[in-house]
Amino acid sequence: SQQGEEDPQALSIQEGENATMNCSYKTSINNLQWYRQNSGRGLVHLILIRSNEREKHSGRLRVTLDTSKKSSSLLITASRAADTASYFCATDQGGSEKLVFGKGMKLTVNP
Amino acid sequence: EPEVTQTPSHQVTQMGQEVILRCVPISNHLYFYWYRQILGQKVEFLVSFYNNEISEKSEIFDDQFSVERPDGSNFTLKIRSTKLEDSAMYFCASTEQDLRTEAFFGQGTRLTVV
Repeated sequence: SQQGEEDPQALSIQEGENATMNCSYKTSINNLQWYRQNSGRGLVHLILIRSNEREKHSGRLRVTLDTSKKSSSLLITASRAADTASYFCATDQGGSEKLVFGKGMKLTVNP
Repeated sequence: EPEVTQTPSHQVTQMGQEVILRCVPISNHLYFYWYRQILGQKVEFLVSFYNNEISEKSEIFDDQFSVERPDGSNFTLKIRSTKLEDSAMYFCASTEQDLRTEAFFGQGTRLTVV
């Protein structure tokens, strides 16, 4: 797998259900960021979790980070149709100036 | 809430022409970036810019590309002699203090080379 690889690649759920997306990466990181992209639109920053943090919350979002497994998960609780979008994780490369993005995961929330 | 703004939202250009994509980063941010996303593909890093100079660039960012901060607010990406394969969404981003802080992205400029 590549740096910042999301899993699953697509997820379809009903409104009100929870959605979990996973991200794996290969190199050591300083932090990991999650983004949302509505179709053909810009990247909206959701949350940043640092390498010394294990869990972070923001509204209906919960992010975990396991540096020993080089993985992160994004949980969206009580999903809404408006959550329909693609979700990306992005990692820094420890000293590099670039973010490395995964391919993204397409979430569809059906009303 | 402060945001990164990009203009234009969509640009169509003839192959071989030069284009300039414009960005206004968040005002107190010090680091600026350009990324691109070819349709259906990953978001790819192009270049980072700090203290009025390029701090890092990718293999994609060859002599065809250049960046400039012409004044205190704008950050531009120039693509010379555009090719069909330059068609993509181009995103500008900025961070307050390198990648230890959140990277905020603009809405993007969709470049179509015909």
